[in-house]
Amino acid sequence: ETGVTQSPTHLIKTRGQQVTLRCSSQSGHNTVSWYQQALGQGPQFIFQYYREEENGRGNFPPRFSGLQFPNYSSELNVNALELDDSALYLCASTPGGLAGAQETQYFGPGTRLLVL
Amino acid sequence: DQQVKQNSPSLSVQEGRISILNCDYTNSMFDYFLWYKKYPAEGPTFLISISSIKDKNEDGRFTVFLNKSAKHLSLHIVPSQPGDSAVYFCAASAYNQGGKLIFGQGTELSVKP
Repeated sequence: ETGVTQSPTHLIKTRGQQVTLRCSSQSGHNTVSWYQQALGQGPQFIFQYYREEENGRGNFPPRFSGLQFPNYSSELNVNALELDDSALYLCASTPGGLAGAQETQYFGPGTRLLVL
Repeated sequence: DQQVKQNSPSLSVQEGRISILNCDYTNSMFDYFLWYKKYPAEGPTFLISISSIKDKNEDGRFTVFLNKSAKHLSLHIVPSQPGDSAVYFCAASAYNQGGKLIFGQGTELSVKP
């Protein structure tokens, strides 16, 4: 039990729509990261937030955006959905301070998004 | 460019024997390595980690070995149990890339009774 929750568990959208995925971390976890896991692949880093500021971004287009709130919850927003956005979306939180080297990330159960 | 590679997509082991999962990396800036276990319909669960200043870390049945010169790490599970059947991911991070984890493609371990 990591204390990281995500909602919804499953979601179906159509191409061109927008989606918001939510994550709730444990109190005190100041850093949250979002990952996309396509079928048969390892998770790929989308971006990371530390104390409500974006702190790093992977190779994802600007239509992937995020927010982090003071109550340790966060959102991943994806605009103009494409078929290839179908994947499992994972958030991970890090206890303590800024997630630099040598800090373990604890994952939520994920949201499975299907784009038709 | 795949910076972290798990070249074996699957591994089958008899219960009670040793499971050895392997992982190779290319980025010499990586200084922290982790293993996660994932069941279907769940998020990855942290298993064990190792810093680049060490070459071995043990936690119960799980031991991770790091060979920096070969850019190779391995996870040993002894003895293997049927409940260990899952997909195992290795991941790496570098001090100059914040908390970004780079994952391998995963190895599916099947432990047979």
